[in-house]
Amino acid sequence: GAGVSQTPSNKVTEKGKYVELRCDPISGHTALYWYRQSLGQGPEFLIYFQGTGAADDSGLPNDRFFAVRPEGSVSTLKIQRTERGDSAVYLCASSLSGGLSYEQYFGPGTRLTVT
Amino acid sequence: AQSVTQLGSHVSVSEGALVLLRCNYSSSVPPYLFWYVQYPNQGLQLLLKYTTGATLVKGINGFEAEFKKSETSFHLTKPSAHMSDAAEYFCAVSDDMGGAQKLVFGQGTRLTINP
Repeated sequence: GAGVSQTPSNKVTEKGKYVELRCDPISGHTALYWYRQSLGQGPEFLIYFQGTGAADDSGLPNDRFFAVRPEGSVSTLKIQRTERGDSAVYLCASSLSGGLSYEQYFGPGTRLTVT
Repeated sequence: AQSVTQLGSHVSVSEGALVLLRCNYSSSVPPYLFWYVQYPNQGLQLLLKYTTGATLVKGINGFEAEFKKSETSFHLTKPSAHMSDAAEYFCAVSDDMGGAQKLVFGQGTRLTINP
């Protein structure tokens, strides 16, 4: 079946602009995660959804970052007033449910470049 | 707080040689440990994981890893490297708290296979 998809694959924006990054999880997966991977680093956790609710947003770096999952499927990561330091690959992952028994399946990521 | 250190950002081995990628972790609670592989322009793929029980864990593509609590290590090995093993490898740790599988990743090791 289809894996996790993310759109766009690449996004170039100017400093100060607003961007939205989309994640389509595997059908039926209730848990969804966002990570950010800066150049030369491993992914860093941003936020976790169980169903429609953000169960853990402790990784969001500041209030410019926000994510939603209104129907418990597709999720959108929103970044306001982008800064050059926001440039990174944003990864989405989904799993059948939360907890360690369930494998996270990762999408290919969205590469965000802020100029 | 949990953390992961991967020794060596780049490892190069000859085809057919032993692959050894090093990972040390820090965790205040019993850890759950993972190895992921990332091929260019693809999402991360789970190679193997340790939760409880047998400390030698076998994964896909002939990889295995051994959890050594006394050394706080979870090194990844493969007896004989193939050209197709060339990729970036990430070690990660998580804990079974709060329902979320929040992964904390190391910085990654890029594996190169020489013909």
